[in-house]
Amino acid sequence: AQSVSQHNHHVILSEAASLELGCNYSYGGTVNLFWYVQYPGQHLQLLLKYFSGDPLVKGIKGFEAEFIKSKFSFNLRKPSVQWSDTAEYFCAVSPTGANNLFFGTGTRLTVIP
Amino acid sequence: NAGVTQTPKFRILKIGQSMTLQCTQDMNHNYMYWYRQDPGMGLKLIYYSVGAGITDKGEVPNGYNVSRSTTEDFPLRLELAAPSQTSVYFCASTHRTSGILEQFFGPGTRLTVL
Repeated sequence: AQSVSQHNHHVILSEAASLELGCNYSYGGTVNLFWYVQYPGQHLQLLLKYFSGDPLVKGIKGFEAEFIKSKFSFNLRKPSVQWSDTAEYFCAVSPTGANNLFFGTGTRLTVIP
Repeated sequence: NAGVTQTPKFRILKIGQSMTLQCTQDMNHNYMYWYRQDPGMGLKLIYYSVGAGITDKGEVPNGYNVSRSTTEDFPLRLELAAPSQTSVYFCASTHRTSGILEQFFGPGTRLTVL
């Protein structure tokens, strides 16, 4: 079955630590890729997106993600996290031609001051 | 623009009651979606619409109904509430061009069925 996998369910980091959250998908064709963030008690907001071109995309708040087609991955990174990055992070995939997004189960990030 | 708005923010229902979750967007988006979010499960698509008068089932449609009479509104109806429908419900919208589906989300409705 086609799916989006986020293997890290809960990540705990100290401030200034580096972050990498994994996202793998199983769709074989062309895809659009997204990372959304959900701060506590809030709705989902777009962090960054990849449609085509440079596989390294930069988003808001210092986040970036790299699309590695051969690995079907779109991992999210940030060199130095802050307490305000505490949130849940969702990877989402839209195969070309699809009418909707397919979401991973999310990764909860807790940043300790 | 207000973006995507949802009402109510919170609701408690008794088993068997019915209710409608409202969703409105003012961005002239043609596509609209309803998701439910359960802890550790991510977002599951309930229903979606690609335009006024057109709706389609998502991954978890049982127990829900939708309608799309206007571009702006996409209400979600629960006819006979069950405890399994306790969840947070998010509405989203997008304007599809060239297959790009960046979705904009509403603030959510937290529903508890007792």
